[in-house]
Amino acid sequence: DADVTQTPRNRITKTGKRIMLECSQTKGHDRMYWYRQDPGLGLRLIYYSFDVKDINKGEISDGYSVSRQAQAKFSLSLESAIPNQTALYFCATRRANYNEQFFGPGTRLTVL
Amino acid sequence: DQQVKQNSPSLSVQEGRISILNCDYTNSMFDYFLWYKKYPAEGPTFLISISSIKDKNEDGRFTVFLNKSAKHLSLHIVPSQPGDSAVYFCAASAETSGSRLTFGEGTQLTVNP
Repeated sequence: DADVTQTPRNRITKTGKRIMLECSQTKGHDRMYWYRQDPGLGLRLIYYSFDVKDINKGEISDGYSVSRQAQAKFSLSLESAIPNQTALYFCATRRANYNEQFFGPGTRLTVL
Repeated sequence: DQQVKQNSPSLSVQEGRISILNCDYTNSMFDYFLWYKKYPAEGPTFLISISSIKDKNEDGRFTVFLNKSAKHLSLHIVPSQPGDSAVYFCAASAETSGSRLTFGEGTQLTVNP
């Protein structure tokens, strides 16, 4: 069941490089989210979007930007990657008026 | 500040016994709570949830209990199975903040055969 897909699944890059992580969904949900997971910290919200024209910062948005190209696509960019952005990144979707979020398989990003 | 806390990083139980995972929260505006399960190399998957108007919700082997006065919830798994071995995340949301999810740190459950 690949309702929420993320590309790439793994990426190694160098400090200062620009990186884009992509998320696509076929669930028809209007709300999309980007989280990062670090050991011992759980998942923290980076950005979220309620529709194509609505983008909101989460709790840790510094150093990141997003683009909602269509209802089904939500991309996360690191303009100039730094080592402390090494983490697991998850995209999630949600239908309006429902609380459950559905997650993609994640992208493991390593910044050297 | 950590509004949702799971104080036990790990829990080990025997197959067939009960697993109890705990979660505490500090924000009294939270009105919906969820548990997610995560296997290695996969994204979290939704397991069970509870609204603040209830104190218990059951789904098969999984039961979530909510104690609002103590700002505490727990997930009971009975009987535990080796396939339940995973990281479990507690999450909470508040309608007043657009139902954004705030996650706990996670608890690694290991069920031994």
